[in-house]
Amino acid sequence: QSALTQPASVSGSPGQSITISCTGTSSDVGSYHLVSWYQHHPGKAPKLLIYEVTKRPSGVSNRFSGSKSGNTASLTISGLQAEDEADYFCCSYAGGSSLIFGGGTKVTVL
Amino acid sequence: QVQLQQWGAGLLKPSETLSLTCAVYGGSFSDDYWSWIRQPPGKGLEWIGGINHSGSTNFNPSLKSRVTISVDTSKRQFSLKVNFVIAADTAVYFCARARITTLGVFSRFDPWGQGTLVTVSS
Repeated sequence: QSALTQPASVSGSPGQSITISCTGTSSDVGSYHLVSWYQHHPGKAPKLLIYEVTKRPSGVSNRFSGSKSGNTASLTISGLQAEDEADYFCCSYAGGSSLIFGGGTKVTVL
Repeated sequence: QVQLQQWGAGLLKPSETLSLTCAVYGGSFSDDYWSWIRQPPGKGLEWIGGINHSGSTNFNPSLKSRVTISVDTSKRQFSLKVNFVIAADTAVYFCARARITTLGVFSRFDPWGQGTLVTVSS
């Protein structure tokens, strides 16, 4: 079972919007509305940003939004801020008891 | 609000046993599924497996033969053991609560522990 494919890095200037893609297959992302996204500042606990493709937990900024088309899920960060500089991971349910993560994307705020 | 605190040995020799424990503070221990996830240096995350309060487990097939996950409901703790560790088991290990949908399938990990770096080196 291969990892979901994410770009290694994405960058943007403060105030801009960026989108991180997460590409899987018809056996995981394409089959289930169960993609989640996490923000990870190294040395800290990862933080849930988006679950079930589009849902945002209480307390998470509405600058973060999720979507999915076919086998690719996406996380959009609007109004990019310096504090958004971090690693971002996607995760998808893959049937049975299988879960699969993306390789991670490093977001740099220029 | 649920919080997780994890601990365990950080330096192991090849063939030794990795042992980590995660304590759950707040929330209902019995309602959720408790998981372990790891991140090798410079790589992405890998789900290891999980357990519920009654001891029912699920594992990543790639690790299942060497992994044991157990639960102590009286202490609100769950634990991970990985036997016969090798250098490739070097990673930051996280514990996390897995939330399940009403249909009984995985939805998300929230919250996470702070992570424990485990290094396997002779």
